[in-house]
Amino acid sequence: AQSVTQPDIHITVSEGASLELRCNYSYGATPYLFWYVQSPGQGLQLLLKYFSGDTLVQGIKGFEAEFKRSQSSFNLRKPSVHWSDAAEYFCAVGGGSNYKLTFGKGTLLTVNP
Amino acid sequence: GAGVSQSPSNKVTEKGKDVELRCDPISGHTALYWYRQSLGQGLEFLIYFQGNSAPDKSGLPSDRFSAERTGGSVSTLTIQRTQQEDSAVYLCASSLALGGIVGEQFFGPGTRLTVL
Repeated sequence: AQSVTQPDIHITVSEGASLELRCNYSYGATPYLFWYVQSPGQGLQLLLKYFSGDTLVQGIKGFEAEFKRSQSSFNLRKPSVHWSDAAEYFCAVGGGSNYKLTFGKGTLLTVNP
Repeated sequence: GAGVSQSPSNKVTEKGKDVELRCDPISGHTALYWYRQSLGQGLEFLIYFQGNSAPDKSGLPSDRFSAERTGGSVSTLTIQRTQQEDSAVYLCASSLALGGIVGEQFFGPGTRLTVL
């Protein structure tokens, strides 16, 4: 069965600092990996996705993620966090012919001024 | 263009009542999904519709839950005899599906259901 682990429930960073959100997955085949962001009262917005090819993927809002098969990880990074990045971030695996997305529990990001 | 829309945005009901939640997917998206987001459980897959194929209902938590999709577009999730543990945000998503491969899922804003 596929699963996603986001080890950090809550992370606090200062505005302008770098950010890395961790995601580890378990999947029986080549995974399709996603990062979504959810602002309070909003739906999920796709930040970026990995299907194949280059293991470093660029997304919207200056985010990037790196797929590391050997570590079963897909960590999300941003070099300089903005106050508007405060939200909850979800990593997910699935898609392609496996349409059921399995989500991690989420990481809540707080940004201090 | 318009995204996925859901109605109502909030629903408060009494235990034992039935509720209907509506989802309008992005035009042209043949695949439609329902998820539930609740405290402690995170995001859970409920049901998946793809074209005229039989839906995948494997995520529905009980037979009180049902969903239909009319005309390959609008979908309704129905919860009968609601219980307090049904309180959650119900999210709908849609995607393209070509050649058996589904694309990225676009989510609606959700319906927050509160069962008193």
